[in-house]
Amino acid sequence: AQRVTQPEKLLSVFKGAPVELKCNYSYSGSPELFWYVQYSRQRLQLLLRHISRESIKGFTADLNKGETSFHLKKPFAQEEDSAMYYCALFLYNQGGKLIFGQGTELSVKP
Amino acid sequence: NAGVTQTPKFQVLKTGQSMTLQCAQDMNHEYMSWYRQDPGMGLRLIHYSVGAGITDQGEVPNGYNVSRSTTEDFPLRLLSAAPSQTSVYFCASSYSPPGGLIGANVLTFGAGSRLTVL
Repeated sequence: AQRVTQPEKLLSVFKGAPVELKCNYSYSGSPELFWYVQYSRQRLQLLLRHISRESIKGFTADLNKGETSFHLKKPFAQEEDSAMYYCALFLYNQGGKLIFGQGTELSVKP
Repeated sequence: NAGVTQTPKFQVLKTGQSMTLQCAQDMNHEYMSWYRQDPGMGLRLIHYSVGAGITDQGEVPNGYNVSRSTTEDFPLRLLSAAPSQTSVYFCASSYSPPGGLIGANVLTFGAGSRLTVL
């Protein structure tokens, strides 16, 4: 079954520390993965997508098909990175559904 | 350009009551979808639509109905509300299904509707 798993509900780090938010997926087709973010009192929005291999706000994510993972990384966390992060998988072979993981709340302490 | 507008923002229902959550977008998006957000469960897809007159089920469709008579509107109906439907509901839209490199395929989310069923 198609599934996105984010094993950490809460990740707490200090400012300046590296951060890695984990995402694993299960999908029989060629995966297309995204990270969405929800800052406090703001709407959910796209952070980045693997297909464009971009770096947004210092975050990067690499698709590892062997480990079926798409972990989000940032070398030096900032307080403004505190937010809820969702990993998402696009299901081409199911009419174009986008399914999300459970979410990880990132808290960056001063 | 209002984007994706959801109404109401807050609603309290009694078990067995019916209601409709409204979603409207003014961006001429063909693709629209409804998610519910629950602690520890993340976002789960309820229903989605790839265009007017076309709807399909997501991951958790039971207890919900949708229709898409116009491109702009995608209402979500609860026919007989249950406490298990207490949640925050998000409507989202994009020009076409939200995959691919094209920027237009990125989902635009509404502000959410918080529903409590007693």
